[in-house]
Amino acid sequence: IAGITQAPTSQILAAGRRMTLRCTQDMRHNAMYWYRQDLGLGLRLIHYSNTAGTTGKGEVPDGYSVSRANTDDFPLTLASAVPSQTSVYFCASSDSPDRVDGYTFGSGTRLTVV
Amino acid sequence: GQNIDQPTEMTATEGAIVQINCTYQTSGFNGLFWYQQHAGEAPTFLSYNVLDGLEEKGRFSSFLSRSKGYSYLLLKELQMKDSASYLCAVRDSNYQLIWGAGTKLIIKP
Repeated sequence: IAGITQAPTSQILAAGRRMTLRCTQDMRHNAMYWYRQDLGLGLRLIHYSNTAGTTGKGEVPDGYSVSRANTDDFPLTLASAVPSQTSVYFCASSDSPDRVDGYTFGSGTRLTVV
Repeated sequence: GQNIDQPTEMTATEGAIVQINCTYQTSGFNGLFWYQQHAGEAPTFLSYNVLDGLEEKGRFSSFLSRSKGYSYLLLKELQMKDSASYLCAVRDSNYQLIWGAGTKLIIKP
């Protein structure tokens, strides 16, 4: 693989179920991010990690959790899914938060909570 | 609060020039980014401005005025493949990206 891999590509999930979205990068980037993208809204940051072993909350963290056990992996967990979490989720990475070429994005996970 | 404004949608003709504007109000400024996003795909990096002025990269140019909180993306010699959404993002004082909702650009033959 080259870049960022997200899985699954799409998922239909029953409300109340637990779900983990996977994100793996092979660029050895220190910083990783989870965004959600909804129609008419900009990308909104859910959680981020500036380096392995650390995480932080973004703009819309409620209902989501993350872990960063190593450099490559940054899974996003929905503990008990609700319909308002229906969205497209993008994982992104950057060598450092102040890079001039911005972030590299994964191809996204389209999640529908019913 | 932090806010980034872009037009929702624009239409242009193949071969023409189009300018997509972005205005911002953020807590701090550490650079402005433009990304391109084709429907159903991930955003891809186009340009970065941190100082006032024009940055040119092939058919695409990006301009920044920090005093006015304003940027534009200029696309020349439009091609059908340029049909996409264009996202403006500002890196704030915490080095987080604040994103606009994007401008959907429709190219007509």
